[in-house]
Amino acid sequence: EVQLVESGGGLVQPGTSLRLSCAASGFTFDDYAMHWVRQAPGRGLEWVSGINWNSGDITYAASVKGRFTISRDNARNSLFLQMNSLKLEDTAFYYCVRDIGASYYFDFWGPGTLVTVSS
Amino acid sequence: DIQLTQSPASLSASVGDRVTITCRASQNVYNYLHWYQHKPGKAPKLLIYAASSLRSGVPSRFTGSRSGMDFTLTISGLQPEDFANYYCQQSYSLSTFGQGTRLEIK
Repeated sequence: EVQLVESGGGLVQPGTSLRLSCAASGFTFDDYAMHWVRQAPGRGLEWVSGINWNSGDITYAASVKGRFTISRDNARNSLFLQMNSLKLEDTAFYYCVRDIGASYYFDFWGPGTLVTVSS
Repeated sequence: DIQLTQSPASLSASVGDRVTITCRASQNVYNYLHWYQHKPGKAPKLLIYAASSLRSGVPSRFTGSRSGMDFTLTISGLQPEDFANYYCQQSYSLSTFGQGTRLEIK
C-alpha cells in the first residue's frame, strides 16, 4: 500500500525557516517524481515544487522560488522541503504527492502537515 | 502562467442529480487537464486524468470531456459520498489548479 506521511509542520514567526519531511513507503520511491502542494485555510490547492527521480530536474512556483528548496534522499525514501524567509501567506497545509509519471499530475497524496506563520 | 477558471464556485444538488463543472484554461493545455475530489480533512483524490481518462477504481458516473480550452467534469447520478470540493489542474506548463467548486447537498 502506498503511504506518504508528512512531518515537520508547526507554528513559526515570519522570516524564520522550517523543514518539512515526507516518508514514503509501499512503492519504489526512486521510480517516481515527487511534489509538494499546499492549501491555505479557506483557499484552493496550489502547486509548490517538484523534483524528478534523480533530482536532476527541479521546479518551483513563482510564489516560493528563491525561498524554498525541494530535495530528496532515495536511500531513505524521503522527500524534503526547506522553507526559508517564511511569510504570513505561506500558512497552509502542505501535502507530499506522488507524480504518476513525471507528468505533473498526482496519484497519491499524504494527509498533509500544517504550517502556520504568525507573529 | 496558465490560469484555470472553474465554474460554478459552488453548486447545490440532490442525490441522483447530474451535475457539470467547467474549467476554462487561459491558453491551450491540450489534454493536460486533470480532475480531483477533495473532502475536508482528507487527502485529495485523482478522478480523471488527461481530460477524459477515468482513473482505475473511480466510479464510472464520473466523466471528463474537452472542447478546445474548455473542460468539463460530469457526475451522473450523484451519490452521498460525492459531496465534496472538486478541482481541475493543468500540467502542460508546470502545474496550476483551478480555484475549486464546492458541491453541496440541496
